[in-house]
Amino acid sequence: GAGVSQSPRYKVAKRGQDVALRCDPISGHVSLFWYQQALGQGPEFLTYFQNEAQLDKSGLPSDRFFAERPEGSVSTLKIQRTQQEDSAVYLCASVGIREDEQFFGPGTRLTVL
Amino acid sequence: AQKITQTQPGMFVQEKEAVTLDCTYDTSDQSYGLFWYKQPSSGEMIFLIYQGSYDEQNATEGRYSLNFQKARKSANLVISASQLGDSAMYFCAMREGIFTSGTYKYIFGTGTRLKVLA
Repeated sequence: GAGVSQSPRYKVAKRGQDVALRCDPISGHVSLFWYQQALGQGPEFLTYFQNEAQLDKSGLPSDRFFAERPEGSVSTLKIQRTQQEDSAVYLCASVGIREDEQFFGPGTRLTVL
Repeated sequence: AQKITQTQPGMFVQEKEAVTLDCTYDTSDQSYGLFWYKQPSSGEMIFLIYQGSYDEQNATEGRYSLNFQKARKSANLVISASQLGDSAMYFCAMREGIFTSGTYKYIFGTGTRLKVLA
């Protein structure tokens, strides 16, 4: 596809459930970022991949959060034992050779009940 | 300390007038990039404009221009001839760090909500 896609677009989980959020970056894009955006706030950095290597995971809020990009393309953000404070929009973005633009996906809105 | 500061939580502008959204940043890197994004109520993040730290000319993209004052560490967005469709949240962001290292990241401000009045 032409842009970054994310699935599902909306996810409702009961507290304690595990969830997996998928990101399909633009083909050939080396860099992939995950962000968490709470209501009315700016995106907060979670983690960064360059190809399959996770170079920075300092933004992951707890060890319940885990991200992977095993083949350097599709990435999955997994949240174990979800809590209400995990409710947010999770944005994925990819960057190509040109560093002057970061392409965002539409986001996944996660609601934890 | 905040790395990106947007001091205007909300702004109003009359249709067809120009508006300036403020952004200041803090970094010790020599090479960095500054971005503005628009986020309408639908939620998608739309790239508007980019300014590299070594660019001497202010960036312009259509009705958007970035007023880059390096010594003051400011990167204000100017929207000329505002349109009703410009009503949205606007985020300033900075890219810093080295591409191949774990220091490479984008940092966003808290945003300014712009409302264009008819």
